[in-house]
Order: sequence, then C-alpha cells, then structure tokens
Amino acid sequence: KAGVTQTPRYLIKTRGQQVTLSCSPISGHRSVSWYQQTPGQGLQFLFEYFSETQRNKGNFPGRFSGRQFSNSRSEMNVSTLELGDSALYLCASSLAGQGNYGYTFGSGTRLTVV
Amino acid sequence: KNQVEQSPQSLIILEGKNCTLQCNYTVSPFSNLRWYKQDTGRGPVSLTIMTFSENTKSNGRYTATLDADTKQSSLHITASQLSDSASYICVVSAETSYDKVIFGPGTSLSVIP
Repeated sequence: KAGVTQTPRYLIKTRGQQVTLSCSPISGHRSVSWYQQTPGQGLQFLFEYFSETQRNKGNFPGRFSGRQFSNSRSEMNVSTLELGDSALYLCASSLAGQGNYGYTFGSGTRLTVV
Repeated sequence: KNQVEQSPQSLIILEGKNCTLQCNYTVSPFSNLRWYKQDTGRGPVSLTIMTFSENTKSNGRYTATLDADTKQSSLHITASQLSDSASYICVVSAETSYDKVIFGPGTSLSVIP
C-alpha cells in the first residue's frame, strides 16, 4: 500500500513569502502530525490533526498553521517566512495517534528560506 | 515535565562492531517506547516498539531493551554495517486522552569501513 506522500520534496522561498506544504497519509489513517527538523535538532512537534480537528499543538508561533480535509489529507502553511524557518518538515500518519500503531513518516519537504 | 534524553549525542564505530545507544525518559504515565532510524534527509522509520510489560524486542540486528522501573531503554546494534549510519531517535508516548508523543534528540551513528 502507498506510504505517506509529502509534496513538494524541495522548496526555496524568500523571506516574507508564505508557503503551503501537503501531506497525504496512508489510506485509512485519520491522524496526521507535522514536525519541524533543523540541522542538529530533534524533531519539534508542530501540530496534530485527527478527523479534521486539531487536537494537539506545539510551541510554534501563529505563523504556522494547518488543516486537514475530509479525506485525511493535510496541509501546513507558514506565513511571513523567516530565515530560521529553513528546515525539513515531516508529516506522519497514524491510524489514531501513535498509541500502539506508531507513526509512518513521509520523506519530508526540505524548505529553504533565502 | 515529560522529557526524553539520549546518549551519546554522536558515535563513530568500525564496520562489524557492536554498539549500544541509550535513552532515558521522564514521561508519565508511560504508554510505549519506540526506536526510529532516520537516514539523512529522509523521514524516520520505526524499528521497535515496547510497552510497559515488555523488556526486550528484536528486529534483525537491532535489539531494544526497556527497564520501566528506571525509565531507561537501550538499542543494541550487532555486527554494524555501513547502512546503519543514521540518526536513531527514541520516542516515548504518554497515556492521555489523546496520544502525547515526546521525541528524543537522537544519536547520530556513523559506521566507517
């Protein structure tokens, strides 16, 4: 079965712009979580969506937002990009949150802000 | 505060050698602990999962142990291969009304010929 698909794979934006990243979870998975990973840093939790509702949120500014559609696909939006937003953004899908099922991660979107 | 710590931060070993990575956590109430392997520029891939009642789990050359009393876990890699070069991340889940997942900072392993 198809894995978690993230698009685009690479992205270059300039400061001040906004960006939208997409994540298609594994079929049947209802939970999608987003993470930011910068060089030398661990995964920083952004937010989790379950059945179109955000049910958990990390400590990121309001410039970071997301949503989930009825087909469980999720988008993440970052407005007014800053140089520090350059990172690998990972999305992970799960049947219903990690629980005993764990997460399946996508390959990520590498965002570079110049 | 729920926290996951990993040691060492980085490790270099010769191909064919064994190594052990450590994970200490202060997550409560504990639900489960997973080890993930992340190749550079890719998403993490799950290696093992252990619940409170399990104290060892193997996946090929990877063996994870869990001591729920001391809140420590280890990942032992046997007969390392060049392809084992990656970051290894310890992830602990807490039992809540929805899953609360805490990621460790990872251990960067380099296997050299």
